Amino acid sequence: AQKVTQAQTEISVVEKEDVTLDCVYETRDTTYYLFWYKQPPSGELVFLIRRNSFDEQNEISGRYSWNFQKSTSSFNFTITASQVVDSAVYFCALSEAQDSNYQLIWGAGTKLIIKP
Amino acid sequence: DAGVTQSPTHLIKTRGQQVTLRCSPISGHKSVSWYQQVLGQGPQFIFQYYEKEERGRGNFPDRFSARQFPNYSSELNVNALLLGDSALYLCASSREGQGRTEAFFGQGTRLTVV
Repeated sequence: AQKVTQAQTEISVVEKEDVTLDCVYETRDTTYYLFWYKQPPSGELVFLIRRNSFDEQNEISGRYSWNFQKSTSSFNFTITASQVVDSAVYFCALSEAQDSNYQLIWGAGTKLIIKP
Repeated sequence: DAGVTQSPTHLIKTRGQQVTLRCSPISGHKSVSWYQQVLGQGPQFIFQYYEKEERGRGNFPDRFSARQFPNYSSELNVNALLLGDSALYLCASSREGQGRTEAFFGQGTRLTVV
């Protein structure tokens, strides 16, 4: 069965530090999609990135970078030079191509606190 | 372009009552999905609709139902409310089936059942 694990419940760092959020997934499907979303206190989920299982290239977008490793079933997210505005709950999610429900399976989220 | 809009933003209901939540997707998006998010947890999939047809259903009781209209807006109905239905209900829209393309979420409806 598909599953997403975000083992870090809460992370607290001082502004300008780098921080990595871990995501480990389980799937039997060979074609799947991985996502990261940010949920600020306002509650709205903000899309950050989508990656399909055939694209293992790491991605960098400004201060954000993602490390996808199929060998360890991980899709980790790093924020470089963190800022107070990065404080939010971050979710990793998985969707399988063969899932007839087309649903997203979500991790429990990691609460990130950036202290000034 | 307007994002995904949900109404109402907050709602308080009594046990046993019925509630209807509404969602308007981004223009051009044909897929709408509903999720329930209990405090401190990740969202749980309830329904997905695409082109006005139900495409997927999560593990929720029959008290939960939904529909999608010709203009692609959607309603989520919950009957016989229980205290455990208190949660943030999120609507997401996407161009195609959820999970194949990025989904964009509304701000949610905070439902409190007392």
